[in-house]
Amino acid sequence: QSALTQPASVSGSPGQSITISCTGTSSDVGGYNYVSWYQQHPGKAPKLMIYDVSQRPSGVSNRFSGSKSGNTASLTISGLQAEDEADYYCGSYTSSSTYVFGTGTKVTVL
Amino acid sequence: QVQLQESGPGLVKPSETLSLTCTVSGGSISNYYWSWIRQPPGKGLEWIGYIYYSESTNYNPSLKSRVTISVDTSKNQFSLKLSSVTAAETAVYYCARNWGASGNPTRVDYWGRGTLVTVSS
Repeated sequence: QSALTQPASVSGSPGQSITISCTGTSSDVGGYNYVSWYQQHPGKAPKLMIYDVSQRPSGVSNRFSGSKSGNTASLTISGLQAEDEADYYCGSYTSSSTYVFGTGTKVTVL
Repeated sequence: QVQLQESGPGLVKPSETLSLTCTVSGGSISNYYWSWIRQPPGKGLEWIGYIYYSESTNYNPSLKSRVTISVDTSKNQFSLKLSSVTAAETAVYYCARNWGASGNPTRVDYWGRGTLVTVSS
């Protein structure tokens, strides 16, 4: 299975909105509404931010939102804050009942 | 609150078998899927495989021939064995819980802190 494709980096100024894309295939992203997004700060374990394309776990800020169109999912961070600077990974359940992560995106707050 | 803790050797020789154990606390290991995920230094996440508490497993196709994940429900633990390791498999290894309302392991909702395993002679 191939890793899902994400842009290597995205940046924005405080208060702005940014969007990170995650492109897969009809066997993963496009085939199911089971895309998740994870935030990882340096030296820390990843944290679940979005699941089932657009659902937020309890305690996650509503500045984080997710969507999907075809084989591409997206994570939008609105009202960008310094604490949002981190690596972000998408992940998807697959038709083989396996799991696949994206290549990762480094978000920089200018 | 579910907590996961990885344990095992931090140094493994090339061609040998990497062995790690994950202890789950704050909840039962039953009725969930449990994964191993790794991250080489400075690189992205790679899913290794998962086990259901009933012992059914599924592995990353690229690692399938070398991976074994097992579970011990009496100890609330699950384990990873990866054989014939190379230096390229130096990574932080995470244990984690997979879950989904559909009954499939559609998201990773709890993670251990991770343990660095270095493959070197």
